[in-house]
Amino acid sequence: EADIYQTPRYLVIGTGKKITLECSQTMGHDKMYWYQQDPGMELHLIHYSYGVNSTEKGDLSSESTVSRIRTEHFPLTLESARPSHTSQYLCASSLGSSGGAEQFFGPGTRLTVL
Amino acid sequence: GQQVMQIPQYQHVQEGEDFTTYCNSSTTLSNIQWYKQRPGGHPVFLIQLVKSGEVKKQKRLTFQFGEAKKNSSLHITATQTTDVGTYFCAGPTEEYGNKLVFGAGTILRVKS
Repeated sequence: EADIYQTPRYLVIGTGKKITLECSQTMGHDKMYWYQQDPGMELHLIHYSYGVNSTEKGDLSSESTVSRIRTEHFPLTLESARPSHTSQYLCASSLGSSGGAEQFFGPGTRLTVL
Repeated sequence: GQQVMQIPQYQHVQEGEDFTTYCNSSTTLSNIQWYKQRPGGHPVFLIQLVKSGEVKKQKRLTFQFGEAKKNSSLHITATQTTDVGTYFCAGPTEEYGNKLVFGAGTILRVKS
C-alpha cells in the first residue's frame, strides 16, 4: 500500500471559513497532484508540483492555492470556502522523469461547505 | 478539452457476465494506465501498458493497448461482486506537458 496520507478525511464547515487540506507522502516522490472529484464523476486536476518551490495550476480552474516547501508535504488552502467547493479532494504523488508515471492516491478528503 | 475518452459511462451486469470498457485517445500515448476506484474509495493503480499491441492479464482482467497506441481496453471475464467500482484509463499527453490525463471512467455495477 502506498504511503500517502490526507487529513482530515471528512470536513464540514461554514461558508467563509479558511481551510487547509493536508497531504503528505513518505515515498520521496518529486511529483504531487491535487484532484477534485464529485461523487461518481471524473477526476479534475486542480494543482500539481514537480518539486520543491514548484507549483502549477491544473486543467480545472480552482480558487484554492497550494504550496510545496518540503518534498513530502503538499497542502491545499481555500481562503474562503463556499458551498460550490463541496467535493472530494484527492492528493496523489508519482516518481519518474516525466508526468506520465503511475500515480499513488491518498484516501481523500470529503469537504462539505454549508 | 478531454483528450482521453472512455466508454461506456456506466454498465450494470449480472454476476458471471463479462464486462469491457474502452479507452480512446485523440493522440498517440507513450503509455496507458488503468486504475480502479471502489465506491467511497480512492483510485488504485492496476497496470501500465507501454508497447504497441501489448496484452497483459491479471487473473480475470485482460488489458490491451492498441497497435497505434491510441486506444486500450479492459476486459473482465465472469464478473464478481468484488469487481464493482469505477475503472479509469489514463495516459500522458504532450498537449498537457505529458501529465496524466484521465478518462471520465466507467462505473461497473454487478447484480448477484
